[in-house]
Amino acid sequence: QKEVEQDPGPLSVPEGAIVSLNCTYSNSAFQYFMWYRQYSRKGPELLMYTYSSGNKEDGRFTAQVDKSSKYISLFIRDSQPSDSATYLCAMSEKAGSQGNLIFGKGTKLSVKP
Amino acid sequence: KAGVTQTPRYLIKTRGQQVTLSCSPISGHRSVSWYQQTPGQGLQFLFEYFSETQRNKGNFPGRFSGRQFSNSRSEMNVSTLELGDSALYLCASSLYATSANEQFFGPGTRLTVL
Repeated sequence: QKEVEQDPGPLSVPEGAIVSLNCTYSNSAFQYFMWYRQYSRKGPELLMYTYSSGNKEDGRFTAQVDKSSKYISLFIRDSQPSDSATYLCAMSEKAGSQGNLIFGKGTKLSVKP
Repeated sequence: KAGVTQTPRYLIKTRGQQVTLSCSPISGHRSVSWYQQTPGQGLQFLFEYFSETQRNKGNFPGRFSGRQFSNSRSEMNVSTLELGDSALYLCASSLYATSANEQFFGPGTRLTVL
């Protein structure tokens, strides 16, 4: 079993829909959870960063962490065509250590006008 | 403030050759990390440098090496290229060595090995 599993999609939704992106993981020691957005021909950019369990909201984006189920989610409300990108989850046991970041393979999202 | 820059953006090489990729971090950032991204394996950590010292290394063969200069610019080198080395190589910089949640990625170098 891979440490981090993420459905590659592609996921296609109409503009205005609520999008749910998910990752599951097997390492119960993970404490730091991140979501990155990667546009075509660009590097990933950090969207959300959360520690331990709970929710975090930033504008139209909400990140949820359920450590008991080893499951994290990213919700996008009122999705826009500009949200079309690949979304990568990442997680680590320790804060701030790039070498310990484990990434999912990414979910490709397409928001149709 | 300029972002992370990587050169070249695209590269085509043949098996057995070697290649050097360059990364200029955001001004003031002292930590540089390198990643390999492929459709099959996703994003995988190669190595991390801080103040010219390698702090961490991923699970890649010794053909992959890197270095960091006093101005924080970094290079990575791949020797004896294999077809499987075809990938997007991403560089990320952060202010400190302990700020993975605040790292900024460059656009990457797309390497194709024929």
